[in-house]
Amino acid sequence: EDKVVQSPLSLVVHEGDTVTLNCSYEVTNFRSLLWYKQEKKAPTFLFMLTSSGIEKKSGRLSSILDKKELFSILNITATQTGDSAVYLCAVHLGGSEKLVFGKGTKLTVNP
Amino acid sequence: DGGITQSPKYLFRKEGQNVTLSCEQNLNHDAMYWYRQDPGQGLRLIYYSQIVNDFQKGDIAEGYSVSREKKESFPLTVTSAQKNPTAFYLCASSTTDRPDTQYFGPGTRLTVL
Repeated sequence: EDKVVQSPLSLVVHEGDTVTLNCSYEVTNFRSLLWYKQEKKAPTFLFMLTSSGIEKKSGRLSSILDKKELFSILNITATQTGDSAVYLCAVHLGGSEKLVFGKGTKLTVNP
Repeated sequence: DGGITQSPKYLFRKEGQNVTLSCEQNLNHDAMYWYRQDPGQGLRLIYYSQIVNDFQKGDIAEGYSVSREKKESFPLTVTSAQKNPTAFYLCASSTTDRPDTQYFGPGTRLTVL
């Protein structure tokens, strides 16, 4: 069974802290790994990763994929209260339209 | 503005009633998807459609039905056979050559009393 596991499930930090969110996967036919941010309603796309070892960056957020160890991390530096959200990791399975989602990590950034 | 709309935002129904959730997109995407999200859970795929008049079951299709009569619209019916329908329902769309890049609507929160 294809599965995506995120950790931790919940995290509370103070503004300015750096956080690392984890995503591991076991799937039959990996195509790509995606990170989404979900604040209250619709998840919004952050990154898509297909190749190992290549870091993707967007402002204070960055992500990297390790296809040998089957995991990805999402880093957020100098966190702000606006970073508070649920961060979802999903894997796109090759040969299909399906995305398999993890349960998400709920990040709370306190002032 | 291009995007995906879902209506209503909140929906309350009595147990045993069927209810239809609306999803419309003007992104000219061929593929559309329905997901269910429960508290503390990730998204689970209910149904998806790659083309008009065709759709496939996802991982949790039991108790749900869909139709795809128009490219822009992919309504989801939650039937009385769905044992635990209270959840947050998200619709998404994508091009068929990039199913990994899905755009999500704002969601409908369904509460069955």
